[in-house]
Amino acid sequence: GQQLNQSPQSMFIQEGEDVSMNCTSSSIFNTWLWYKQDPGEGPVLLIALYKAGELTSNGRLTAQFGITRKDSFLNISASIPSDVGIYFCAGQPSGTYKYIFGTGTRLKVLA
Amino acid sequence: DAGVIQSPRHEVTEMGQEVTLRCKPISGHNSLFWYRQTMMRGLELLIYFNNNVPIDDSGMPEDRFSAKMPNASFSTLKIQPSEPRDSAVYFCASSLADRDTQYFGPGTRLTVL
Repeated sequence: GQQLNQSPQSMFIQEGEDVSMNCTSSSIFNTWLWYKQDPGEGPVLLIALYKAGELTSNGRLTAQFGITRKDSFLNISASIPSDVGIYFCAGQPSGTYKYIFGTGTRLKVLA
Repeated sequence: DAGVIQSPRHEVTEMGQEVTLRCKPISGHNSLFWYRQTMMRGLELLIYFNNNVPIDDSGMPEDRFSAKMPNASFSTLKIQPSEPRDSAVYFCASSLADRDTQYFGPGTRLTVL
């Protein structure tokens, strides 16, 4: 099925570093969601964005809904070991209930 | 509050056997989604129910797959007969309404030998 372009595919960073990942699409979206998936678990919602330009924080996480409505980014500040996992973006095209998922960014934090 | 509940968490079966995956959505949620996750294809939407009625099953791979939602608190995804290429993690998700944020269950890891 259709997928978003999510980058990077994987990241190895040192504990304490900041992380940035993004998703882009050729389609306009009404909603952007960011999920984190731990091994053996289902995706857990981190942040939901509903308006172009919206900037939302959840603790050390900050996400933005791009002005063009075709992209979104997620930043993690001062990473810690428990940030390890796979981060997915999901976008909802206008007029549809379906969410299109990115291919994921696999994050590894080195202590 | 309880989240989406799925069972079993792991299923190992032999090719040709019938497999039934179960899901209990979050209470009060009207929409339910079944997804399949593989390394190659990522998260794929299989079928979507709204108010217990299947709305879109275009993602169901083939006739071997079927899904039901007999009531607002229970859904099943059945594969009969199962094949090794069906091996994947199957997720159920629910949302308050069809365009709202989806909340995922822990998934069922299916291995077909």
